[in-house]
Amino acid sequence: AQSVTQLDSQVPVFEEAPVELRCNYSSSVSVYLFWYVQYPNQGLQLLLKYLSGSTLVKGINGFEAEFNKSQTSFHLRKPSVHISDTAEYFCAVTYNNNDMRFGAGTRLTVKP
Amino acid sequence: DVKVTQSSRYLVKRTGEKVFLECVQDMDHENMFWYRQDPGLGLRLIYFSYDVKMKEKGDIPEGYSVSREKKERFSLILESASTNQTSMYLCASSDRDPNQPQHFGDGTRLSIL
Repeated sequence: AQSVTQLDSQVPVFEEAPVELRCNYSSSVSVYLFWYVQYPNQGLQLLLKYLSGSTLVKGINGFEAEFNKSQTSFHLRKPSVHISDTAEYFCAVTYNNNDMRFGAGTRLTVKP
Repeated sequence: DVKVTQSSRYLVKRTGEKVFLECVQDMDHENMFWYRQDPGLGLRLIYFSYDVKMKEKGDIPEGYSVSREKKERFSLILESASTNQTSMYLCASSDRDPNQPQHFGDGTRLSIL
């Protein structure tokens, strides 16, 4: 079965520090990759997506992610986080049959 | 911007009640989805629909049913609510093209007492 693994359930980090949230997915011929953010008591908002082309994708709020086909990974990064980035982040993968799978989520907590 | 609206943000019901959760989208999307979100489990797909009057079971359909009589509206029904259905429920919609993202409502936090 197709699966998405977010390797860290919680990531605490200090303000202005860099952060990486890791995501791996089960291999498939073709996939579309997404990162979503969920702020407290809200639904999920799209941060960025990878469909094809350049493996480095830039999204909103200064986030970026890199698609690595050989490692089947799509890690999310930000060079300097803010308090307002505190949220839960979900990696999602759409496989070629339109089946979107979500990871379990990573709770990012930015401390002052 | 796509707008997905869930009828209630918070809902409290009693065991055995029939519960309706409503979702409306305004972007003429073909696909609509219902998920439940529980801590540590991420999002689990309950049902989805790819067209009016069409529905497909997701990973955890037991105890739920759905209705899609109009393209913009997708309803989730708990036939006889139980305490283990206390959860956050998220509705989403998307274009038919698989490379398009899903757009989410703000969620309904349902408590079954």
